[in-house]
Amino acid sequence: EVQLVESGGGLVQPGGSLRLSCAASGFTFSDDWMDWVRQAPGKGLEWVANVEPDGSMQYYVDSVKGRFTISRDNAKKLLYLHMNSLRVEDTAVYYCARNRGWYLYDSWGQGTVVTVSS
Amino acid sequence: QSALTQPPSASGSPGQSVTISCTGSSSDIGAYNYVSWYQQHPGKAPKLMIYEVTRRPSGVPDRFSGSKSGNTASLTVSGLQAEDEADYYCSSFGGRRVFGGGTKLTVL
Repeated sequence: EVQLVESGGGLVQPGGSLRLSCAASGFTFSDDWMDWVRQAPGKGLEWVANVEPDGSMQYYVDSVKGRFTISRDNAKKLLYLHMNSLRVEDTAVYYCARNRGWYLYDSWGQGTVVTVSS
Repeated sequence: QSALTQPPSASGSPGQSVTISCTGSSSDIGAYNYVSWYQQHPGKAPKLMIYEVTRRPSGVPDRFSGSKSGNTASLTVSGLQAEDEADYYCSSFGGRRVFGGGTKLTVL
């Protein structure tokens, strides 16, 4: 059974940093694209970033470019999202999701809450 | 504003059918057969319900079906049940944004 478990969320002040982690199990992690998707309170889903199976290429939504970095450790089956210069508008539940190609997400984590507030 | 446009709400009575639309463009829905639909109950993670326009993952009831015409994709829920009340999101490859804005389905 595919399992994705996020951690690392919390309360941070504007301008601060956080690192989210996503532990994967039940599938060959190194075969799949992995994505982060977020959902602001009361709002819809927003794709944030993704990373190729070997970690060589990363892609980001414009609003986080230069502030967020997605990475992965295939040996440990871990996906990361390093978030710097956090803004109030980054407040959201952050989900990691397995991307089977063409933005098809067949497995999602339970989400981790990031709150950016002073 | 989402590049994939969904109605904010839809509703139907138990046993009825309801269709949710997702309108994109010739760059996304119109260009690719990579449309997916996700169901999200409050406080829960999204769940894949339809992929590649019409295909259902294992375990998804056949009451859920997908279709596409031109730049518009649709999700139809037949034989509505109380547990179908949720938010539904479409997604498509190719667009500026991955997901539609979401549709809240209410079972009356």
